[in-house]
Amino acid sequence: DAKTTQPDSMESTEGETVHLPCSHATISGNEYIYWYRQVPLQGPEYVTHGLQQNTTNSMAFLAIASDRKSSTLILTHVSLRDAAVYHCILRVEGRGGSNYKLTFGKGTLLTVTP
Amino acid sequence: DPKIIQKPKYLVAVTGSEKILICEQYLGHNAMYWYRQSAKKPLEFMFSYSYQKLMDNQTASSRFQPQSSKKNHLDLQITALKPDDSATYFCASSQDRGYSDYTFGSGTRLLVI
Repeated sequence: DAKTTQPDSMESTEGETVHLPCSHATISGNEYIYWYRQVPLQGPEYVTHGLQQNTTNSMAFLAIASDRKSSTLILTHVSLRDAAVYHCILRVEGRGGSNYKLTFGKGTLLTVTP
Repeated sequence: DPKIIQKPKYLVAVTGSEKILICEQYLGHNAMYWYRQSAKKPLEFMFSYSYQKLMDNQTASSRFQPQSSKKNHLDLQITALKPDDSATYFCASSQDRGYSDYTFGSGTRLLVI
């Protein structure tokens, strides 16, 4: 499986914009970049995903480098509720077998202070 | 209303006993999964099911057996429990198609003593 590299932790203050980096130098052409986040005592929550183009939704903006070897999850106007572990995951898009699997790493622990 | 129901939320079991973790989803999804998270460790994939058929099994031990009695159910039976089985077990679901994100349940916290 292709791997991702993320910083162990990052800090922010309420109202700021946070850039969470992810490196995936060996990404394959058919692998999508997914982001999930997890707060203590809860299951992971889907944030966003992308293949090549930048994407945006109500939760975040995903910026993908033109060579796809890195991506950045951008959270604007963060609040205390955004404090979580953010996971950057590569996943082959397709049906069956190991295509379903999400492989989680340690992720980035985002701390938000008032 | 919760879209994925996991029962019980907390479970204490004696070493050597058997327990069943319940998972029901009301999202109309046709793929379901089990993940495990031990203390301070990343989530670990265990099983995936699609249309009630096993698609992938990454669990080495046969003590862990998924059971799918209905399309929206995927229970997890664990036999001969060991203290190392202590973890939070998360159920998840998705559509079985090209792109689909996962929805996770809130987990069952199992403590084996």
